Amino acid sequence: SQQGEEDPQALSIQEGENATMNCSYKTSINNLQWYRQNSGRGLVHLILIRSNEREKHSGRLRVTLDTSKKSSSLLITASRAADTASYFCATDTTGRRALTFGSGTRLQVQP
Amino acid sequence: NAGVTQTPKFRVLKTGQSMTLLCAQDMNHEYMYWYRQDPGMGLRLIHYSVGEGTTAKGEVPDGYNVSRLKKQNFLLGLESAAPSQTSVYFCASRGGDLSANSPLHFGNGTRLTVT
Repeated sequence: SQQGEEDPQALSIQEGENATMNCSYKTSINNLQWYRQNSGRGLVHLILIRSNEREKHSGRLRVTLDTSKKSSSLLITASRAADTASYFCATDTTGRRALTFGSGTRLQVQP
Repeated sequence: NAGVTQTPKFRVLKTGQSMTLLCAQDMNHEYMYWYRQDPGMGLRLIHYSVGEGTTAKGEVPDGYNVSRLKKQNFLLGLESAAPSQTSVYFCASRGGDLSANSPLHFGNGTRLTVT
C-alpha cells in the first residue's frame, strides 16, 4: 500500500488562485518531499521538509508538516498556467533506503 | 550536465521477449533506483542499489532483474516480458549519505508496451 496518499486526486483552478494539495502518510518519517511531474517527463524535486520542521517556503511554494497527524500540505500561491502538472509527495523513513511515493494530485490551472 | 539519462525512450515488445533498460547518471551518486509508474498508482519501487556492485529488491521486483557493474550505470532487465509490465519506467539517483536528506534526480522515463 502507498505510504503517502494525496488529496485531492485532481484539482482545477483559475490562474491567480491558490492551489492546496494534501498528503497523508502512515509511518514515522525523516523528511517529506514534494515533486512535480509535467506530462511525459520525469519528476522534479520541489521542496523538502524535515520531520522537526513545521513549515517551509520556497518562492510561491509553502509546505507544512504535522507529524502528529502524519500529514503535509503543499500550497502554490498565485498559480500560473505553467503550474499545470502532477504533484507527488514522497516520504523518507528511517531504515528504508528509498522514497515512497503517493499517487499524486493532477493540477490544472486554467488561463 | 546531463543528469540522469534513460535509454530507450520508447519500446514495444511482444510477450515473452526480453530487453534491458539502461540508466546512466553523471553526478557520481551512490544510490540508484528503478520505479514504475502506472495510472492512478503513483510510483512503485522495483529495485534499487546503494553502491557499485550492490542491488536490492523493492516493492514490485518480480519479473525484473538489475545490475550495477559501474557506479554510473544501473540496468533493468526483463527476461520474459508480460503485458502486466506495460508501464512507464523511471530511473532516479541520489547522492550523499541518507542522513543528508538528499532529493532524487529523475530521468525522463522509458515508455514500454508489451503486446
